[in-house]
Amino acid sequence: KAGVTQTPRYLIKTRGQQVTLSCSPISGHRSVSWYQQTPGQGLQFLFEYFSETQRNKGNFPGRFSGRQFSNSRSEMNVSTLELGDSALYLCASSVSEAGGPADTQYFGPGTRLTVL
Amino acid sequence: AQSVAQPEDQVNVAEGNPLTVKCTYSVSGNPYLFWYVQYPNRGLQFLLKYITGDNLVKGSYGFEAEFNKSQTSFHLKKPSALVSDSALYFCAVRGFNNNDMRFGAGTRLTVKP
Repeated sequence: KAGVTQTPRYLIKTRGQQVTLSCSPISGHRSVSWYQQTPGQGLQFLFEYFSETQRNKGNFPGRFSGRQFSNSRSEMNVSTLELGDSALYLCASSVSEAGGPADTQYFGPGTRLTVL
Repeated sequence: AQSVAQPEDQVNVAEGNPLTVKCTYSVSGNPYLFWYVQYPNRGLQFLLKYITGDNLVKGSYGFEAEFNKSQTSFHLKKPSALVSDSALYFCAVRGFNNNDMRFGAGTRLTVKP
């Protein structure tokens, strides 16, 4: 099976712009989670989607949003970019039929966002 | 809320020696514990997880981890380190009623020839 894919891999934006990142989960996986990784804050949970519904949300401002499509592909959007949004954004998918905490998450390679 | 601590930012070992990367956790109820490894400019790769049962969990690439409930620890181990094991290692935890996976700060493992 193909792994989790994320596009684009690298992105450079300027402050005030918005950005959309895409994630395609492993075939058959219905849950998609997003994480932000920075040197200072480490890995932080953004949100999780299952069956096109946001099931869980981390502590990020409303500028960060996401959605999931019927084929389980997911996008996240960041509006009004700030310098501090520069980070590696990781997507992870899991089978997660019932939202079990035992499910293993499989990560994509990430999108490196640089905000200038 | 659940949390994870990785007390060592950096671990250095010689090739062929055993390695241990430490992790302690805090969670209400039974924990679900995971180890991931990250190589430069890559996403996280799953190594192993503890759900229930045997306290010694075996995973990928010869890694294993020991769950210790009384010490709330889940240390990652390998009997003989390889130079190629050099990477960033993350411990993570979920509680039974929460899908929010919390990661530790990471431990950078360097294996020297």
